[in-house]
This record gives sequence, structure tokens and C-alpha cells, in this order.
Amino acid sequence: AQSVTQLDSQVPVFEEAPVELRCNYSSSVSVYLFWYVQYPNQGLQLLLKYLSGSTLVESINGFEAEFNKSQTSFHLRKPSVHISDTAEYFCAVSEGYNFNKFYFGSGTKLNVKP
Amino acid sequence: ETGVTQSPTHLIKTRGQQVTLRCSSQSGHNTVSWYQQALGQGPQFIFQYYREEENGRGNFPPRFSGLQFPNYSSELNVNALELDDSALYLCASSFGKTYNEQFFGPGTRLTVL
Repeated sequence: AQSVTQLDSQVPVFEEAPVELRCNYSSSVSVYLFWYVQYPNQGLQLLLKYLSGSTLVESINGFEAEFNKSQTSFHLRKPSVHISDTAEYFCAVSEGYNFNKFYFGSGTKLNVKP
Repeated sequence: ETGVTQSPTHLIKTRGQQVTLRCSSQSGHNTVSWYQQALGQGPQFIFQYYREEENGRGNFPPRFSGLQFPNYSSELNVNALELDDSALYLCASSFGKTYNEQFFGPGTRLTVL
């Protein structure tokens, strides 16, 4: 079974600073990779995904993530954060042969300070 | 287009009781997945239903069971509640058996006393 590790439970950062949220997964088999964001008292929203093709994927609000197969990582980055980015971010993996089953990391709380 | 809705929003039960949580999938979706999110943790996959049949299950005991109805809404039933069942239960809907984006509901917060 997959395991997904988000090493940083909380990341404080000042507005307009860059940020990286780290995600590592355990298996080297064919995987699909996702980042979800959860705002307080809301469900999860898909931020971006990697299914195949280019290893660098981008979201519409400036986040990007790069699939690194050799390091089994899918770190999330943003060059300049906004107060509105304050939320909890979850990395998720599904295995290509069993895409129905998603494995989530424990989440990283991003706290953007003015 | 109506999104994924869940009811109730909050629920308090005592140990040993049974609970039913409900989920209405997004219009046009025929697949529903259920997740348990304990406090401070990521969601854990419980099971998935595709066109009224179970289509994958996580590491949860049989007292966690589910149903999907012809209109693709779904129920999660938990029998013999334990304190550790206290969590946010999330439902997600999608279309088809192959990968398509899952849309999550706001969740039901279950507290077991």
C-alpha cells in the first residue's frame, strides 16, 4: 500500500514570499498525483494533478508542482503567496492500477502572514 | 449545476449506537467515494460505489457499510460506534470507473461520546 508523507505540518510565511510544501510517496509504480486545498469548514478542492505527460503541472492561481519519479516526490510551490492562500494543503496519490483508491498525506497548514 | 451535498452537517452519538450519513452526488456523476478524516490527519479512503455496486474498499472493518441508490446518492452506515469513529466524513462524487476528478462535499462532523 502507498504511504504519503508531508513532512511539514505547518508552514508560516509572509505575504509575497515564496513557499514550498513537500510531498513524498512510497511506491515507484505508476501513480497519479494530486494536491488538494481545504479552507476552514469546507470540503477538499482539487488544486492540480499529474496524470501523465509533462512533469511540471500548474494551477490557475499560481501554484505549480513537479513530479520527480526518481525521488518519488511531488512538491508544491508558489513564487509569491497571498493572504488568501492560507489553508490546509493535502497531497494525494492513487496507483495507476487502482486509481479508485486515493492515499492522502496528513496535510500541511499554510499560514500566510501580512 | 448542484455540487455535492452531505447531511447532516454535525452529529453527536454515543458508543455502541448506529449512524447513517447521506451524500447527494453532483449532477451527472455516477461514482461516490467516502473518506474518514480524523482530526489533524488526511482523509482515509473507506470505499467507493459505482452505479450501485461497491468498487473498492479501504482498510475499514465491516461495521462500515454503504449503499448507492439509483439516483447515485449514497449512504454511509456505521454500526457499533466507537470513540475513534469521531471524525469528519467526506463524500466525493465523480463520473465513471476510470479516473475523473472527484468533487468533495463539505463533510459531516461525527462526534462519538
